[in-house]
Amino acid sequence: EDQVTQSPEALRLQEGESSSLNCSYTVSGLRGLFWYRQDPGKGPEFLFTLYSAGEEKEKERLKATLTKKESFLHITAPKPEDSATYLCAAAFNQAGTALIFGKGTTLSVSS
Amino acid sequence: DAGITQSPRHKVTETGTPVTLRCHQTENHRYMYWYRQDPGHGLRLIHYSYGVKDTDKGEVSDGYSVSRSKTEDFLLTLESATSSQTSVYFCAISESKGSSGNTIYFGEGSWLTVV
Repeated sequence: EDQVTQSPEALRLQEGESSSLNCSYTVSGLRGLFWYRQDPGKGPEFLFTLYSAGEEKEKERLKATLTKKESFLHITAPKPEDSATYLCAAAFNQAGTALIFGKGTTLSVSS
Repeated sequence: DAGITQSPRHKVTETGTPVTLRCHQTENHRYMYWYRQDPGHGLRLIHYSYGVKDTDKGEVSDGYSVSRSKTEDFLLTLESATSSQTSVYFCAISESKGSSGNTIYFGEGSWLTVV
């Protein structure tokens, strides 16, 4: 069964304390790996798409990387405003026409 | 903003009543989706549309129907609401097929409570 697993479920960081979120996937035929940010009471906000192993994308304090089995979202020197739930999703050949989502990592950054 | 408007944003309804959620887009994207989000399950696809009057089922379609009479509008109907359908519903859009790696953009959500 195609699966997307995110870890950890929750992460607490101090402001400035860098860390990484993990998204592992078990399927063949990956067509794209997506990262979204979701704030409480809001819809998921698109961050990045990665298409092939070795690809990296950056936006402000966030950097997403992709290997053949997993993706990482690296957060460098986080600020309290980075607190949110980060969702990972994968597009597969077999997934119909939509995405398979992980359950998310809730990040809390305290000052 | 992705140009997606969902209505209503919040609704409380009684068990057994019909409910319709509306999604309106201004991007002229071909694909539209309805997801539900529940604790412990993440986002799950209910139905999607790949054109006017062209729709198909997703992972959790039982108890739901959809219609798309115009490119910009996608309706989700709960024919007879049950408590298990209490959830947050998100409409999403993409220019081309999501499973081919095209970006899917989400609306702000509709909170539905069935009592």
